[in-house]
Amino acid sequence: EAGVTQSPTHLIKTRGQQATLRCSPISGHTSVYWYQQALGLGLQFLLWYDEGEERNRGNFPPRFSGRQFPNYSSELNVNALELEDSALYLCASSLWRGTSGGTDTQYFGPGTRLTVL
Amino acid sequence: KNEVEQSPQNLTAQEGEFITINCSYSVGISALHWLQQHPGGGIVSLFMLSSGKKKHGRLIATINIQEKHSSLHITASHPRDSAVYICAVSDDGGATNKLIFGTGTLLAVQP
Repeated sequence: EAGVTQSPTHLIKTRGQQATLRCSPISGHTSVYWYQQALGLGLQFLLWYDEGEERNRGNFPPRFSGRQFPNYSSELNVNALELEDSALYLCASSLWRGTSGGTDTQYFGPGTRLTVL
Repeated sequence: KNEVEQSPQNLTAQEGEFITINCSYSVGISALHWLQQHPGGGIVSLFMLSSGKKKHGRLIATINIQEKHSSLHITASHPRDSAVYICAVSDDGGATNKLIFGTGTLLAVQP
């Protein structure tokens, strides 16, 4: 079974540009999560999508947005890039059993390393 | 104060040693996760637990819900165990499904 895949592996952009990162979840998983791991800051939750809807969002500005497609793959868009957006962006997927069903193990992709010059 | 605290931040061990990494949290949780991150960034989920103890090979994870504390143990450590180990908690009830991460423990196992 294929794991979570992300593309591209590396992305280099300049300040003010837009970046688009892509994620394909494990087959059968409906939830996709995006995390940012900036140098020295640890992992931070960005966004959670399930069944095509944004379910939760971390403490990030509106420049960070995304969507989930009918096949459950997801895109993360970062507009008006700033130098501090340079980070490893990790995508994870899981099943979600609803608010009464509790959480499930999240499986992580290899990440996209975004460098903003 | 961070909602998830790990200790130690750095740990160096000799091959074969028994290793313990601790995690304390201050929020209500539905589950606690232990993750392993190797150089290059790839993250592997080691355990998800909400009570008691789980074992997988040489790895053991325990959680004490009353004390809001979890430990990850590695028995007979090996250089290939060298990685960053991250504790993360899922919010209470799974409504937001947000993971809150500790800052990680960098483990180096020397041969």
